[in-house]
Amino acid sequence: AQSVTQPDIHITVSEGASLELRCNYSYGATPYLFWYVQSPGQGLQLLLKYFSGDTLVQGIKGFEAEFKRSQSSFNLRKPSVHWSDAAEYFCAVGRTGGGADGLTFGKGTHLIIQP
Amino acid sequence: EPEVTQTPSHQVTQMGQEVILRCVPISNHLYFYWYRQILGQKVEFLVSFYNNEISEKSEIFDDQFSVERPDGSNFTLKIRSTKLEDSAMYFCASSEDSYSNQPQHFGDGTRLSIL
Repeated sequence: AQSVTQPDIHITVSEGASLELRCNYSYGATPYLFWYVQSPGQGLQLLLKYFSGDTLVQGIKGFEAEFKRSQSSFNLRKPSVHWSDAAEYFCAVGRTGGGADGLTFGKGTHLIIQP
Repeated sequence: EPEVTQTPSHQVTQMGQEVILRCVPISNHLYFYWYRQILGQKVEFLVSFYNNEISEKSEIFDDQFSVERPDGSNFTLKIRSTKLEDSAMYFCASSEDSYSNQPQHFGDGTRLSIL
């Protein structure tokens, strides 16, 4: 069964600084990978996804993520964070050829932005 | 942009009572999902639904749970006899196709509180 690890429960970053959120997955083949963001009281919004091809994927709100097969990682990055980026970030994995399978989520990383 | 809509936003129910959580998926989507998030824990897959039947379910989705698409727009999750441990945020999601081609879009969730 697949699994996702987000090793950082909380991360604090100064506004304007760069950001990297870590995600490691466990899956026997090349997975489908996702990053979702959850603002307080809201649902999960898709930031970006990796299915195949270019290992550096661009998403919304200036985010990008890089798939590294050798490290089983899919880290999320942003060059300069804004106060509105404060939220909970979830990495998720889906099985290839998974049809209507559910996604497996990590426990999330809570991002705090310092002024 | 089309959204997944969930009602109510907050449901308070006595233990042992039945509860129905409602979702209106995005209109042209064909795959529907329920997830739950117990406070402080990760988002967990419950069930997926396609072509008017359950496609996959997790071990959490036991006999007390059921799903239904009673008409062309609604997708419901019923918990027959609620327990204290059912208290959680429940998210509905939908996708146009299996997530290998199209990502899942999430609603804002229903917070279920069991007393």
